[in-house]
Amino acid sequence: DTAVSQTPKYLVTQMGNDKSIKCEQNLGHDTMYWYKQDSKKFLKIMFSYNNKELIINETVPNRFSPKSPDKAHLNLHINSLELGDSAVYFCASSGDRGRRAFFGQGTRLTVV
Amino acid sequence: GENVEQHPSTLSVQEGDSAVIKCTYSDSASNYFPWYKQELGKRPQLIIDIRSNVGEKKDQRIAVTLNKTAKHFSLHITETQPEDSAVYFCAAGNSGGYQKVTFGTGTKLQVIP
Repeated sequence: DTAVSQTPKYLVTQMGNDKSIKCEQNLGHDTMYWYKQDSKKFLKIMFSYNNKELIINETVPNRFSPKSPDKAHLNLHINSLELGDSAVYFCASSGDRGRRAFFGQGTRLTVV
Repeated sequence: GENVEQHPSTLSVQEGDSAVIKCTYSDSASNYFPWYKQELGKRPQLIIDIRSNVGEKKDQRIAVTLNKTAKHFSLHITETQPEDSAVYFCAAGNSGGYQKVTFGTGTKLQVIP
């Protein structure tokens, strides 16, 4: 069973479109995250939710909007996609206040 | 905020040799230091972590050392094998409240058979 799963795995879309990435964890963790990994492999946190409450919001354009309907799900909606949004987006979860994080398989977003 | 520097960015070793990756951090409040391994096209996976109340931790062929005074921590892999080839990330964070970890820039390790 996949602990942290995100869909889709690949997403190719045109500039200006709006897209969503979904994430679900079945580990019973309270904290979930979105990370962005660029072409140089830098891993940068974007958002963190604890029990559906936003607790970390890094300097991310407001075109990115996370939504957590319950503590097992954290989705990411991106409006007006730009070329620079192309990256791999990882969802992760943690059961101990942000320490040992379990990552999803990633969503490779390509904006053309 | 926390700043984590990681060196080297790439590292090639012969199979059987040791590999060492070093990180420094800036925030003296950080007390949790995980290491993640990311194979090509895969997700980052935690391989070992250390808390600030210990100076060293070992798990089979991997070990991590921490020098809180100097704000340095290192990953040591002994008897490297080709399957150790991956990108390794260090990270630093603190246990106060809902903390985040800040990742280093990654080290691409290549183990040559």
